[in-house]
Amino acid sequence: DTEVTQTPKHLVMGMTNKKSLKCEQHMGHRAMYWYKQKAKKPPELMFVYSYEKLSINESVPSRFSPECPNSSLLNLHLHALQPEDSALYLCASSQDSPPLKAQYFGPGTRLTVT
Amino acid sequence: DQQVKQNSPSLSVQEGRISILNCDYTNSMFDYFLWYKKYPAEGPTFLISISSIKDKNEDGRFTVFLNKSAKHLSLHIVPSQPGDSAVYFCAANRYSGAGSYQLTFGKGTKLSVIP
Repeated sequence: DTEVTQTPKHLVMGMTNKKSLKCEQHMGHRAMYWYKQKAKKPPELMFVYSYEKLSINESVPSRFSPECPNSSLLNLHLHALQPEDSALYLCASSQDSPPLKAQYFGPGTRLTVT
Repeated sequence: DQQVKQNSPSLSVQEGRISILNCDYTNSMFDYFLWYKKYPAEGPTFLISISSIKDKNEDGRFTVFLNKSAKHLSLHIVPSQPGDSAVYFCAANRYSGAGSYQLTFGKGTKLSVIP
């Protein structure tokens, strides 16, 4: 089973709203990732969690707040977003030790900020 | 500075023929390379990978070749099928410690397989 699930599939929110994106995997992976992808661009890394601890924050604005409640779950809390934050938000996971096999991606959440 | 480059934004191939997608990289610290396939509005799907200590890896119709001295890799799809039509991303991995990795993606090549 190489499945990463993400909810919701689509989300429309206003600039004053607070919402959360959820990601779940049951592959026993201990590294989980959030990426942002704009149209016709490659995925851009936002955050990396390893063993439920934030290990990498790629200078992401504080209106994006990640959370890893346990080894299977990853959340992204959204507050006071801007229209330019509209994008496909992807979650991924990978095994926790070399050699790397792959990062497995979820289907993404299509976010529109109005 | 773009560390992973896919210089062909698009490629059209006849069904049954070979598709060759190319990728160049600049960072010698990358230790693993991966190819992902992506349909619109979906997450990337892992296809095939290769370690930096190997020069070839094969999985069914997909073969990845790595030329480490030239910092170049390529994905061969033989025979190409219409269902292969998608955007293909080359990605390079660097272990960032504490059990996590950083993937750097190329900009992608859109493959169209014509029936």
